[in-house]
Amino acid sequence: DTGVSQDPRHKITKRGQNVTFRCDPISEHNRLYWYRQTLGQGPEFLTYFQNEAQLEKSRLLSDRFSAERPKGSFSTLEIQRTEQGDSAMYLCASSLYRGRNEKLFFGSGTQLSVL
Amino acid sequence: DAKTTQPTSMDCAEGRAANLPCNHSTISGNEYVYWYRQIHSQGPQYIIHGLKNNETNEMASLIITEDRKSSTLILPHATLRDTAVYYCIVRAPYGQNFVFGPGTRLSVLP
Repeated sequence: DTGVSQDPRHKITKRGQNVTFRCDPISEHNRLYWYRQTLGQGPEFLTYFQNEAQLEKSRLLSDRFSAERPKGSFSTLEIQRTEQGDSAMYLCASSLYRGRNEKLFFGSGTQLSVL
Repeated sequence: DAKTTQPTSMDCAEGRAANLPCNHSTISGNEYVYWYRQIHSQGPQYIIHGLKNNETNEMASLIITEDRKSSTLILPHATLRDTAVYYCIVRAPYGQNFVFGPGTRLSVLP
């Protein structure tokens, strides 16, 4: 059973550059979530998809952020014109949503450092 | 905003039970209580969840008070590998996302 996979594990970039992260959910999971986590804080919700539809976006998701899940399988999160404040761990989670008893399974995250 | 309050940190001796409290005094009738934990440098891991009955699985037990305003996660025999941040979350069954607070940092001491 393969878990949620995220790539890359670490990314160092210069301010102003664009970065893209990939998340491969657990097979058959219909929901996919993106969270952001800074040191000492709990994960903060960014957005989630049910199949290929993006159903909710947080206020934290500025217009520099875009997420896609084109075929309802893997997802990408792109950050344009990165800023130092974007430095964080970006976590992806997936679930098999059937209404009740939803459980999120998280990947190990992508650690972004913006210099 | 998170609907729960948890102590910032706790210590527990190895081999003893770890009892982690969570206050959710504004919980609604259809909201579940979930517990996750996060070991350093990893993503959060699901532990257990429940609505009003006590629950037990291979990892932990969840005790929910009768008025559902608080709960306790019990790790019956804590090991060093249980050192982590533990998050208590309340969420409606058809809720849009899971809201994490800062959690409780549990340190299991040898």
